[in-house]
Amino acid sequence: QVQLQESGPGLVKASETLSLTCSVSGGSISNYYWSWIRQPAGKGLEWIGRIYTTSGEKNYNPSLMSRVTMSVDTSKNQVSLRLSSVTAADTAVYYCARGIQGVGNDCWGQGTLVTVSS
Amino acid sequence: DIQLTQSPSFLSASVGDRVTISCRASQGITSYLSWYQQKPGRAPKLLIYTASTLQSGVPSRFSGSGSGTEFTLTISSLQPEDFATYYCQQLYTYPITFGLGTRLEIK
Repeated sequence: QVQLQESGPGLVKASETLSLTCSVSGGSISNYYWSWIRQPAGKGLEWIGRIYTTSGEKNYNPSLMSRVTMSVDTSKNQVSLRLSSVTAADTAVYYCARGIQGVGNDCWGQGTLVTVSS
Repeated sequence: DIQLTQSPSFLSASVGDRVTISCRASQGITSYLSWYQQKPGRAPKLLIYTASTLQSGVPSRFSGSGSGTEFTLTISSLQPEDFATYYCQQLYTYPITFGLGTRLEIK
């Protein structure tokens, strides 16, 4: 059974770069989309973007596009997220999730809370 | 961006009730609509995709319908474990968007 685990600093200073890694176990990351989705406390879900491991195709939310970078390391079975110039509005639980075209996100990590401090 | 409007935003119901949650898209998305269940402190769980296809392992009391701009999630007989927040998601075009959620609580 595929398992996803997000990791990275839980506290990031404003204006700096948030970096998270999603480690995938129990299956290959190849031939799937890998999404990052975030959720501020008490609020709804926001799609950050996704990367397709086979082609490297990336799709980012236009609202974050100027600050987001996603990458894949197939040798480590990991997907990464970088979000630059963070502000308090970026404080949220960040999830990585496996995606299937037209279906959605069928496997999710447990999520990791990132707090942006001033 | 395609906006998804869920209604109601809050729903109070009893075990055994039949409940329906609506999701309206700001433009047509054919059947590229998925539903998720989220419990407090947990990641969302995929329930239904392509508007009406039940994800493997999801109980048959959950069902989905609709196409175009109007979609519904129905729970035929509420069980205690169904009290959670439900989100719709459109996968028709980028950016992928979610509804704001419907919180289902025990009456």
